[in-house]
Order: sequence, then C-alpha cells, then structure tokens
Amino acid sequence: ILNVEQSPQSLHVQEGDSTNFTCSFPSSNFYALHWYRWETAKSPEALFVMTLNGDEKKKGRISATLNTKEGYSYLYIKGSQPEDSATYLCAFRFEAGGTSYGKLTFGQGTILTVHP
Amino acid sequence: SAVISQKPSRDICQRGTSLTIQCQVDSQVTMMFWYRQQPGQSLTLIATANQGSEATYESGFVIDKFPISRPNLTFSTLTVSNMSPEDSSIYLCSVGSGQPQHFGDGTRLSIL
Repeated sequence: ILNVEQSPQSLHVQEGDSTNFTCSFPSSNFYALHWYRWETAKSPEALFVMTLNGDEKKKGRISATLNTKEGYSYLYIKGSQPEDSATYLCAFRFEAGGTSYGKLTFGQGTILTVHP
Repeated sequence: SAVISQKPSRDICQRGTSLTIQCQVDSQVTMMFWYRQQPGQSLTLIATANQGSEATYESGFVIDKFPISRPNLTFSTLTVSNMSPEDSSIYLCSVGSGQPQHFGDGTRLSIL
C-alpha cells in the first residue's frame, strides 16, 4: 500500500499572503510526482510533473520543489489571490510496468481558501 | 492535451439502482482510468480500462459492482451497480499513460 500524505488538510490565508503545502511519498521506486489544482465543479488541472531529485518548477506565482531521497515535495504560492482558492492534490507514480503503467496514487489534498 | 467529455455531470439516484457514466476523448488513447473521491477522502483509482481487454480493478473494487466497457480507443463507460449511500462520490475518468494525466469534469453522484 502506497502512502501519500499531504499537509495541512486545509488552509485559510489573506489575499497577498504567501503559502506552502507539503506532500510526502515513498522514497523507493520513485518515477514521478504530480501536482494538480482542483477547483469546485471543474476537472483537476495539472500544475507540475516532477521527475528528478532537486527539481524546481515554476508556473507564474506557483512553484514546486522535489526531494526524492527523503520523499517530499513542497508547493509554494506567492502573493495568494482569491482565484487560487482550490484543492491542491499531489499524486505519486511509482516505477512499474504492465498494468501499473501510468497509475497515480493521490494524497487527500490541501484545501486552500484565499480571503479578499 | 486531450479533451475529455464526461456525462452526466451530476445525478441523484435511488438506492438499488444503477447508473452508467460515459467518458469520451477527442483522440485515441490506450489507457483510460476511472477514479472515485468519496467525501473527505483522496482520489482513489477504481480500475484501468484498456481497449481490447478486460479492465484491471484495484483492491477493494470488483467488476460486479463497477462494470467497465471500453469498446474503442476514444470511449469508455463505468457503471455503478446496485447503488447504496456509500457510493455517493465524485467519479472521474482520466487519460494519459504519459504525463500528466487529463481528467474529465467528473460526475457528482448522490444516492438517496
């Protein structure tokens, strides 16, 4: 059983605050770590796919880092805006073939609410 | 990226009935995935649907409860059979044996 843990479960911040979330995952048989943003009544939207230890990726005000040796990833949002309010999911993909190819194990998500 | 049309978007069903959810992709894909998110829980993989072979179910999910069809490379259905209140969830299909995965908008299902 793969354990993917996200913290905190929920977060309330004021507009303009910077914030960060954590995703922890198994450090063995690593293939990739995905981050998604899921707004209510919409489909999950891919933010980042990270594969290399030490990876840092950035998309506008959102960035992410990856440490595969210790099994964690951080997602940062700089200057939060109300439109950033969503559930942020991380998902772990382990190195396997056959029917496991492409399969993701998700964390429970961090629910972010940005207050104007 | 693939465009996925999923329907219905939501439904309210009586216990004991069945509902079939459809997922249409605008391009041919080898693998399609069906997920469920129960209230307060993480997205959990139900099964992987491959065209031309039987779906592969994850632990805790069985074909009798969640039969899946995959008649071609652009379409799949998931049926939730003999529904009970515990089946109230968001159901999502996704594609992408590469990275990242692309999701439909989901089916929000409530069982009375």
